[in-house]
Order: sequence, then structure tokens, then C-alpha cells
Amino acid sequence: QQPVQSPQAVILREGEDAVINCSSSKALYSVHWYRQKHGEAPIFLMILLKGGEQKGHDKISASFNEKKQQSSLYLTASQLSYSGTYFCGTENSNSGYALNFGKGTSLLVTP
Amino acid sequence: NAGVTQTPKFQVLKTGQSMTLQCAQDMNHNSMYWYRQDPGMGLRLIYYSASEGTTDKGEVPNGYNVSRLNKREFSLRLESAAPSQTSVYFCASRYRSGQTSTDTQYFGPGTRLTVL
Repeated sequence: QQPVQSPQAVILREGEDAVINCSSSKALYSVHWYRQKHGEAPIFLMILLKGGEQKGHDKISASFNEKKQQSSLYLTASQLSYSGTYFCGTENSNSGYALNFGKGTSLLVTP
Repeated sequence: NAGVTQTPKFQVLKTGQSMTLQCAQDMNHNSMYWYRQDPGMGLRLIYYSASEGTTDKGEVPNGYNVSRLNKREFSLRLESAAPSQTSVYFCASRYRSGQTSTDTQYFGPGTRLTVL
């Protein structure tokens, strides 16, 4: 089941904050966040597990809400380098073997 | 450590031609995957191999076949290419240890395929 990401696209000024959401119609076991620059491969950002705590590094963090079957990625004080497309990949159980990816959220940070 | 490598980087085919996309990883990962990426569609799973010797269909397997040659290599074959298979193809690998907090999935650089 492909997760649903929102918004589809967002434009920010440098220094502004953004939130990207990833929702599933089924219970989530884990959520994996990636960022992809144009013409490049997706790069891993972080994994969140059911029952785990909020994660983050630098000014990018994420949360996992089991009840809402949703994860959110928070980008604070955005930098130009944050521009790209963000994907969430989900697993609905520990026995699954492949991640299901959303359609992505395009983020553009302008000077 | 090269990570996940893919060949070729670019390919142009005519309708009906066949070709094999190669993927290899040097991270001792047990699981490998093939995705295709089309504008606005995200990453869609074509086939995967949970471990050496096994392969399973993903979301969009029609028109493709795969071979898990050994633990390192996982190839994707288009037997009779169609324009609808024009896409960017990504191979990925992951070590499924059961401790998902460390089971990062890594992607190769991609193969850009055009079918005329």
C-alpha cells in the first residue's frame, strides 16, 4: 500500500520551516525518510520505528504517530541545500521485505 | 566500498528489443530491490529478492524478469521493451537483521532508459 504524502510541493525562503506528512491506510511498523536531488539517487535521512522516539539530526527531525498511522518530517531554519524531493518509505510489519514509497514532496528553498 | 552500482547509466532501445540492467552491491546485504521512477509517481517496486535464491513480484512486475545471480548481484531483464517502460530504474539493497533501526536501504545511481 503506497503511503500518501502531503503537501505535494512547497516553496520556502531560506530560514523558514516546513513540515512534510506521510500517512498510511494500514498500521505502520516503520517509516524511512529519503531526500533526492534532481538526477541523483535517493539518500537516506532517518528511520522511525513503531514505539520509538522522535529522531533528528542537524535541523531535520521526524516523528511517528502510531494512532494516526502517520509520520511527519520537520525541516527547521531551512537551507538552500534542503531543496529536493522528499520520500517516505513505509513498512506495515516486521515481516515485510520491501518498502512502499509515497509519490514524494518537492521542496524548493529560495534565497 | 562502492555501495550499490548499476550498469549501464543510460540506454536507448527500440520497441521490441531486449536488455538486462545489472546491479551489484558490496555491503553483504541479503535483500535487493528494483524500483522504477516516473514523474509524479514516486518509486514503484518492480521485483525484490529477500535473500539469495528467492525473488518476488512487487507492484509493477509486468514486462520484467529478474535473476538473483548470487548474494551480490541482482539483474533486471526487459524481454521486449515497450515505450511505457521508459523510466529511471533504481536498484537498492538492505540488510534485514530483524533490528529495523539499523536496516538502512541504499540506492544505486540509477539507469535512465528510453524506449523509442
